[in-house]
Amino acid sequence: AQTVTQSQPEMSVQEAETVTLSCTYDTSESDYYLFWYKQPPSRQMILVIRQEAYKQQNATENRFSVNFQKAAKSFSLKISDSQLGDAAMYFCAYRSAGNNDMRFGAGTRLTVKP
Amino acid sequence: KAGVTQTPRYLIKTRGQQVTLSCSPISGHRSVSWYQQTPGQGLQFLFEYFSETQRNKGNFPGRFSGRQFSNSRSEMNVSTLELGDSALYLCASSLLSGTANYGYTFGSGTRLTVV
Repeated sequence: AQTVTQSQPEMSVQEAETVTLSCTYDTSESDYYLFWYKQPPSRQMILVIRQEAYKQQNATENRFSVNFQKAAKSFSLKISDSQLGDAAMYFCAYRSAGNNDMRFGAGTRLTVKP
Repeated sequence: KAGVTQTPRYLIKTRGQQVTLSCSPISGHRSVSWYQQTPGQGLQFLFEYFSETQRNKGNFPGRFSGRQFSNSRSEMNVSTLELGDSALYLCASSLLSGTANYGYTFGSGTRLTVV
């Protein structure tokens, strides 16, 4: 079964600086998707960024980018120019192609210091 | 367009009771998935419904069930509630089953407390 591991329960960053959240996963499949979700105190999970496994190019969405290392099964999230509104729980998630059963990591709580 | 709507937002039930939670997906989305979120177990997949049929089911006891209506709205039911069922229940919709490569759209969840 696929598993997702986030080894950093908590991280903090100074406003305007850069932080990287780590995620590793275990799978024997070749076709899958990876996601980062943000869950602020409002509880709603918000999609931050996604990556198709068959694409070598790392995904980027404004200040958010990923470092996808398929061979190492690593999928880290880099947040540049951190803002106070970035403070939230961040979840890394894996989904097999053709299956809606998404596996989530345990989450990383990000604090942004003014 | 309207997002994913879950009702109620909060619920308090007594052990042994049953509860029904509701989820209205984004208009046009035909797939609805349910997740249980707890501090200890994190996010766990309950089941997915597509076109009124259960497509996938997670590793939960039979007390957890669901259904989907012709308008894609979904309900999940938990019978004989236990204290351990206290959790945030999240609903997520996607356009078609198996093509959520753009990711789910989540609702704000229902916070269930069992006392």
